Amino acid sequence: DAGVTQSPTHLIKTRGQHVTLRCSPISGHKSVSWYQQVLGQGPQFIFQYYEKEERGRGNFPDRFSARQFPNYSSELNVNALLLGDSALYLCASSRLQGVGYNEQFFGPGTRLTVL
Amino acid sequence: GQQLNQSPQSMFIQEGEDVSMNCTSSSIFNTWLWYKQDPGEGPVLLIALYKAGELTSNGRLTAQFGITRKDSFLNISASIPSDVGIYFCAGQVSGGSNYKLTFGKGTLLTVNP
Repeated sequence: DAGVTQSPTHLIKTRGQHVTLRCSPISGHKSVSWYQQVLGQGPQFIFQYYEKEERGRGNFPDRFSARQFPNYSSELNVNALLLGDSALYLCASSRLQGVGYNEQFFGPGTRLTVL
Repeated sequence: GQQLNQSPQSMFIQEGEDVSMNCTSSSIFNTWLWYKQDPGEGPVLLIALYKAGELTSNGRLTAQFGITRKDSFLNISASIPSDVGIYFCAGQVSGGSNYKLTFGKGTLLTVNP
């Protein structure tokens, strides 16, 4: 079975631009979460979506937005990019159905560099 | 954002040695997970723990969910060179509609052949 896939792998943008990152969850998984991982730190929670609805939001500014599509894939959008947005953006999928099914499986990430 | 207290920050050991790392939190979690991350890759799930006091093994890896639900540890026995990487603990509060993971800062493990 294919794991979580993310695109693009790498991205270079300049300050003020916007970016769209994409994620396809594991087949059968209905929940997608997004995390930001700055170099030297653990991942920080940005959003969680389940059945196309936002179920959780981390402490990130409104420049960050996301959505989930009927096929459960997801997009993360970041507007007005800042240098501090440079990070590895991780997508994780899970079944989200009861105890034991909340394990989150991560994709390889998108490395965003803002110049 | 909140991060769990994970220690040690880094470890340099000889092949064949055992390794222990732990994670503590000021708040209670219903689930503890341990991940390993290689450079340029996403975290890979190693072990998931769901009950306080639970001890779970996965090959040479053993992890425990603390009785207070505020801590967890991971042991690696007889380390090998491919164990090199960054190990993260993560806590999760199940229930409601938000299943976000809160991560530690990671333990960098280096194994000398």
